[in-house]
Amino acid sequence: GAVVSQHPSRVICKSGTSVKIECRSLDFQATTMFWYRQFPKQSLMLMATSNEGSKATYEQGVEKDKFLINHASLTLSTLTVTSAHPEDSSFYICSAQTGTDNSPLHFGNGTRLTVT
Amino acid sequence: GQNIDQPTEMTATEGAIVQINCTYQTSGFNGLFWYQQHAGEAPTFLSYNVLDGLEEKGRFSSFLSRSKGYSYLLLKELQMKDSASYLCAVLDSNYQLIWGAGTKLIIKP
Repeated sequence: GAVVSQHPSRVICKSGTSVKIECRSLDFQATTMFWYRQFPKQSLMLMATSNEGSKATYEQGVEKDKFLINHASLTLSTLTVTSAHPEDSSFYICSAQTGTDNSPLHFGNGTRLTVT
Repeated sequence: GQNIDQPTEMTATEGAIVQINCTYQTSGFNGLFWYQQHAGEAPTFLSYNVLDGLEEKGRFSSFLSRSKGYSYLLLKELQMKDSASYLCAVLDSNYQLIWGAGTKLIIKP
């Protein structure tokens, strides 16, 4: 149980275009989803916390107008990287909690974004 | 500030035992997680400790001492597939996860 599906796994786009990444909880309802980015050989960096039906909470330094997050249902959250630039190239990972605040995170498989 | 310390890299031999340590200083404590992350993949959950003591789960065990701000992950009967990064993460008083930088474990035959 507790499967999180993230799509696409890899995407290459041109500078200036937008990319949407989907994160779905397949067998549970996720009231809270988290979006991370990870640079090579570094730990996870939380970008934003997404609660179903409300606006996402962004971490300091993360541009909310550039990284649009929508959490319209209990099983789906999306991250849209708008007007992507090469420096946005990274590994983006979503995660979801099955219940309370101290329940473990279950991660999607990640999306490798390359902006050319 | 909040801080999680774990070794950057460790090397061990197939079949042996390895202990990966994690020390933390956080504003409050609501539990400590260990995750395994293979290169190029997302992390997977290994363990959660909120009370002092040892939790055993197959070849993996996790220990916590809240008074010392210390945890370790113990891996027994090491296999080549255990080569990965191991991330320590602490849930602070606001239920925010504070992540360590990860320990890269290299298993040699």
